[in-house]
Amino acid sequence: GEDVEQSLFLSVREGDSSVINCTYTDSSSTYLYWYKQEPGAGLQLLTYIFSNMDMKQDQRLTVLLNKKDKHLSLRIADTQTGDSAIYFCAESNTDKLIFGTGTRLQVFP
Amino acid sequence: DAGVTQSPTHLIKTRGQQVTLRCSPKSGHDTVSWYQQALGQGPQFIFQYYEEEERQRGNFPDRFSGHQFPNYSSELNVNALLLGDSALYLCASSSRGVSYEQYFGPGTRLTVT
Repeated sequence: GEDVEQSLFLSVREGDSSVINCTYTDSSSTYLYWYKQEPGAGLQLLTYIFSNMDMKQDQRLTVLLNKKDKHLSLRIADTQTGDSAIYFCAESNTDKLIFGTGTRLQVFP
Repeated sequence: DAGVTQSPTHLIKTRGQQVTLRCSPKSGHDTVSWYQQALGQGPQFIFQYYEEEERQRGNFPDRFSGHQFPNYSSELNVNALLLGDSALYLCASSSRGVSYEQYFGPGTRLTVT
């Protein structure tokens, strides 16, 4: 079946790097995503990676994909207080997205 | 360029009532998907509409139904509301040719009492 798992909580100091991890079970996943959700808001698409890639970089964000282990990570460089939010990993092999339960990132000064 | 919009922002209903939520997709998008996000959980896929037809459906009962209009906007209807239907309902839009890029609206917070 389809399942996406994430750790629940991550706390980092401002200026450090954050690494949020995700594992998924569907080996036929075509795309893998990272979304950000701030309190009381909808989901913001941060980045996505096609399953035949192993890395994608976009400014402060780096996505690493280990397809063999079905492991996805999001690294945020120079983490700022504005990065505090819930981060969702998602996968799809059709048009529907399967989400994890989200990782709450807390950034402290 | 307007993003995905949803209305209303908040809604309070009583058990057994019916509710209609609305979504307008991002300009240039023709596909609308609906998701339910319970408190503390990730969003769950309800269904997707393209060309005014339901194309995919998640594991939700028939009490959940939808519609897509010729201008690509969409409605989500929920009948016979249960307390467990209380959630944030999110609409996402995409373009059929670029269906892997889904953009979400701010959501409608439904509370069933």
